[in-house]
Amino acid sequence: QVQLKESGPGLVQPSETLSLTCTVSGFSLTSNSVHWVRQPPGKGLEWMGIIRSGGSTDYNSALKSRLSISRDTSKSQVFLKMNSLQTEDTAIYYCTHSYSAYFDYWGQGVMVTVSS
Amino acid sequence: DIVLTQSPATLSVTPGESVSLSCRASQGISTSIHWYQQKSNESPRLLIKYASQSISGIPSRFSGSGSGTDFTLSINRVESEDFSVYYCQQSYSLPLTFGSGTKLEIK
Repeated sequence: QVQLKESGPGLVQPSETLSLTCTVSGFSLTSNSVHWVRQPPGKGLEWMGIIRSGGSTDYNSALKSRLSISRDTSKSQVFLKMNSLQTEDTAIYYCTHSYSAYFDYWGQGVMVTVSS
Repeated sequence: DIVLTQSPATLSVTPGESVSLSCRASQGISTSIHWYQQKSNESPRLLIKYASQSISGIPSRFSGSGSGTDFTLSINRVESEDFSVYYCQQSYSLPLTFGSGTKLEIK
């Protein structure tokens, strides 16, 4: 069955870089897309970006200058890197599976707090 | 960017009532709208795809309708497990965007 699991540090210092990993199973990264979506505490959902089956990426323009999504297909892993973190980047970060631009499977999410 | 406006922000209902949640797009998006349910401290769950297409494993009391700019998620006879937050999401154009959510609460 399709599964996604996020991992990474729970606490990041302001101005530092966030690095998250999404480990997937039950599907191939070369045939499906993976997105990152985040949710600040008590707030709504924000799409961050996508890495498609062919390896191309697109990012939310609000984050584009700070965000990078990559993958290692041999390890079934997708990576998120975002620099210059601020307190407003405190959120639950989800990786999600999509085959056709809707999110049919979600990871459990990882809470990231930006604080000194 | 396409803005999705969900209304109402909060809907208070009694179990057994039927409800309709609205999602309005800032421009026409055909049927490229999808609905999610998010329970407290859980990841969102896909309920409806492409405005009205059902999802395997989702109870039949959930249904969707609409096209263009106006969309509706309907819940026929709300059950206790349905009290949560509902989001719409558009896939018509990048960036993908979500509505701000409707919280369904017990009256």
